[in-house]
Amino acid sequence: EVELVESGGGLVQPGGSLRLSCAASGFTFSAYVMTWIRQAPGKGLEWVAAISGGGGSTFYANSVKGRFTISRDNSRDTLSLQMNSLRAEDTAVYYCAKGLYYSGSGSEYFDYWGQGTLVTVSS
Amino acid sequence: ETALTQFPATLSLSPGERATLSCRASQSVTNYLAWYQQKPGQAPRLLIYDASNRATGIPARFSGSGSGTDFTLTINSLEPEDFAVYYCQQRTNWPPSVTFGQGTRLEI
Repeated sequence: EVELVESGGGLVQPGGSLRLSCAASGFTFSAYVMTWIRQAPGKGLEWVAAISGGGGSTFYANSVKGRFTISRDNSRDTLSLQMNSLRAEDTAVYYCAKGLYYSGSGSEYFDYWGQGTLVTVSS
Repeated sequence: ETALTQFPATLSLSPGERATLSCRASQSVTNYLAWYQQKPGQAPRLLIYDASNRATGIPARFSGSGSGTDFTLTINSLEPEDFAVYYCQQRTNWPPSVTFGQGTRLEI
């Protein structure tokens, strides 16, 4: 059974940093694009960043480019998101999501999602 | 970036009725469109991908159609558990990007 479990969320001041993690199990982690998607309170979904199965290619939304870094450790089946220079508008639940296609491209549909971890940026 | 507009924003129906939700893209996405269902406090669930393919385990009352810029999610004979928020999503191969619509709330 596929499972994705996010951790690392919390309260951080504007300008601060936070690192999110997502532990994956139940599938061949290295074969799938993994993605971070966020949802501000009461709002819709926003694609944040994606990483290829091997980790060699990364893609970012313009809103986070230069501030966030996505990475993965295929030996530990773990996805990460390093978030720097955080802003109030980064406040959201952050989901990690598995791409639908085996050996997929950077843009995907998402067939499994974690439960999300809340990031609050406030002074 | 391709924008997606969903309408109506809210749809009020009763169990047993048919729901028709729409999603319009600002430019052609061919058939690279998916639909998700999200219930309060839960992560989204993939319903339809590539415009008309049902995801694993999705009941046959859910169907998708459309291509280019106009897409429809149809839910036949609504069940009580179908009342939720529905999002459409497009994917662009290069440069890779994903956008979501703003959602349609399906309420009883």
